Amino acid sequence: QQPVQSPQAVILREGEDAVINCSSSKALYSVHWYRQKHGEAPVFLMILLKGGEQKGHDKISASFNEKKQQSSLYLTASQLSYSGTYFCGTSAWDSNYQLIWGAGTKLIIKP
Amino acid sequence: NAGVTQTPKFQVLKTGQSMTLQCAQDMNHNSMYWYRQDPGMGLRLIYYSASEGTTDKGEVPNGYNVSRLNKREFSLRLESAAPSQTSVYFCASSGGVSPDTQYFGPGTRLTVL
Repeated sequence: QQPVQSPQAVILREGEDAVINCSSSKALYSVHWYRQKHGEAPVFLMILLKGGEQKGHDKISASFNEKKQQSSLYLTASQLSYSGTYFCGTSAWDSNYQLIWGAGTKLIIKP
Repeated sequence: NAGVTQTPKFQVLKTGQSMTLQCAQDMNHNSMYWYRQDPGMGLRLIYYSASEGTTDKGEVPNGYNVSRLNKREFSLRLESAAPSQTSVYFCASSGGVSPDTQYFGPGTRLTVL
């Protein structure tokens, strides 16, 4: 079952913060975050494998709440280069580790 | 080191025509995947190959066939194209079976008239 991402879209000014959520109805083994710019391939950001795990990448970080079956991606002091569509991919314990992807969150950063 | 390459980049077919999308990776990865991406729906797995010599159906396999030709190459075939198969197709590879990081090719934009 496809994970639900929220919000569907967000518009920010450069320097503002954003949070993107990814929720699943299944018990998750891992959550993957990717960013895709228009007309390009998705690019890997990070994987979260353990419940409660948090990871950071420059000013982009993420958390994984295993009990709530959800993950959140945090973008701090956003830059113009952060614009794009963010996807979460989830794998469940009973899905042979196949990734099921959310519909994406479109992030627009304005100067 | 080219990563994951796909050919062609663009293709227009008429209903009923067949074609094969090619994918190759030079990262010595074991697993390869074919996805389709439609507006507002994210990525959907068509087929995957956990290792050379094996292939398995994903979420939306109907109308497609795949061949894992060797460790590097994984092709996707549309035997009789339909307008519903108009989409962007991405090939990806990873070192092992998910949940390893997947690396994506640039995509093939397919239109079926």
